[in-house]
Amino acid sequence: AQSVTQPDIHITVSEGASLELRCNYSYGATPYLFWYVQSPGQGLQLLLKYFSGDTLVQGIKGFEAEFKRSQSSFNLRKPSVHWSDAAEYFCAVSNAGGTSYGKLTFGQGTILTVHP
Amino acid sequence: NAGVTQTPKFRILKIGQSMTLQCTQDMNHNYMYWYRQDPGMGLKLIYYSVGAGITDKGEVPNGYNVSRSTTEDFPLRLELAAPSQTSVYFCASSSQGDYGYTFGSGTRLTVV
Repeated sequence: AQSVTQPDIHITVSEGASLELRCNYSYGATPYLFWYVQSPGQGLQLLLKYFSGDTLVQGIKGFEAEFKRSQSSFNLRKPSVHWSDAAEYFCAVSNAGGTSYGKLTFGQGTILTVHP
Repeated sequence: NAGVTQTPKFRILKIGQSMTLQCTQDMNHNYMYWYRQDPGMGLKLIYYSVGAGITDKGEVPNGYNVSRSTTEDFPLRLELAAPSQTSVYFCASSSQGDYGYTFGSGTRLTVV
């Protein structure tokens, strides 16, 4: 069965600092990979997704992620964090096959705190 | 421009009561999903549907039921509520082959 691990439960950074959130997945075939963001009391919003092709994926709000097959990782990065980026971030994986019907397996989430 | 609409936003149930969580989408998406979110556990799939009249179980279906009579609506039914069903419930939809979900704003359910 596929699984997703986000090793960091909580990360604190200063505003303007760079950010990297880690995500490791376990899946035999080529996965579809996603990052979502959840602000307090809100639903989740898609930041970016990787299906195939260029392993560096650009998303909304200045985020990017890099797919590294050899490390089974899909880490999320941002060069300069803004206070409004404080939220919880979820990595997710889906089976690339047609019978997956888009079902996602989510990681446990990483809470990002931004200090002024 | 509504996207995915969930009602109610909050609900308190007594043990043994039943209720239906409503979910409606206006994007003509084929695929719809119900997830529950518990602190530190991420989101777990309860049920999903690939079109009207077609539903299937996810990872944690026990205690829940769904139906999909139209493309737009995907209600989640809780029968005989238990404290273990205290959670935040999210409905989501996606188009076939896209897999990028649009989420509703969630229903926070407490069973006492």
